[in-house]
Amino acid sequence: DIQMTQSPSTLSASVGDRVTITCRASQSIGTWLAWYQHKPGKAPKPLIYKASSLESGVPSRFSGSGSGTEFTLTISSLQPDDFAAYYCQQCNTFFGPLIFGQGTNLEIK
Amino acid sequence: QVQLQESGPGLVKPSETLSLTCSVSGGSISSYYWSWIRQPPGKGLEWIGYIYYSGTTNYSPTLKSRVTISADTSKNQVSLNLTSVTAADTAVYYCARWTSGYSYGTYWYFDLWGRGTLVTVSS
Repeated sequence: DIQMTQSPSTLSASVGDRVTITCRASQSIGTWLAWYQHKPGKAPKPLIYKASSLESGVPSRFSGSGSGTEFTLTISSLQPDDFAAYYCQQCNTFFGPLIFGQGTNLEIK
Repeated sequence: QVQLQESGPGLVKPSETLSLTCSVSGGSISSYYWSWIRQPPGKGLEWIGYIYYSGTTNYSPTLKSRVTISADTSKNQVSLNLTSVTAADTAVYYCARWTSGYSYGTYWYFDLWGRGTLVTVSS
């Protein structure tokens, strides 16, 4: 089965910073990748699907890129509401279970 | 708008069966896939499995021997049963809709989630 590896596990940043989170698949998954934001006690929120398509209602400061085995989620200018956990997920059952990366905790510096 | 609400016992004894229900309001479960995902304390998200409203299922290999997901279109609900639970099954359990679409190629992702329900396995 595919393994999904996110880096970094924790990221400390300030409001206004540009940040990038990386997700690597152990084998090529094309663009079958989604990104989610998760805050404690709340429902996870989809941000990006198909590697780079922005979910409706998500601010344009969020963007996704990549294909094959390496993917990135970029937040162009951090806002206070963005401090949360972020997860990537492989989205094709052809490649095996719909597994998530281990997550990245984005913290206030 | 469509909303998902998980419900069920918050405490389950070891070796017993964990049973949860996901109630869908504002829309029908028909024509969609519905999934269960969990998050153990301090850990990441783990996919458990999904069901198509008509009954087709797909489970995580690591849980397949203990998991049953079912759908009741008359009640507009999706259910999860996890047998022979241990402390390792303690987690927040989420219900989510697995959605497909087409935009320069097919895509799939979890577009709607419930807020989750904490289940603790303890005697």
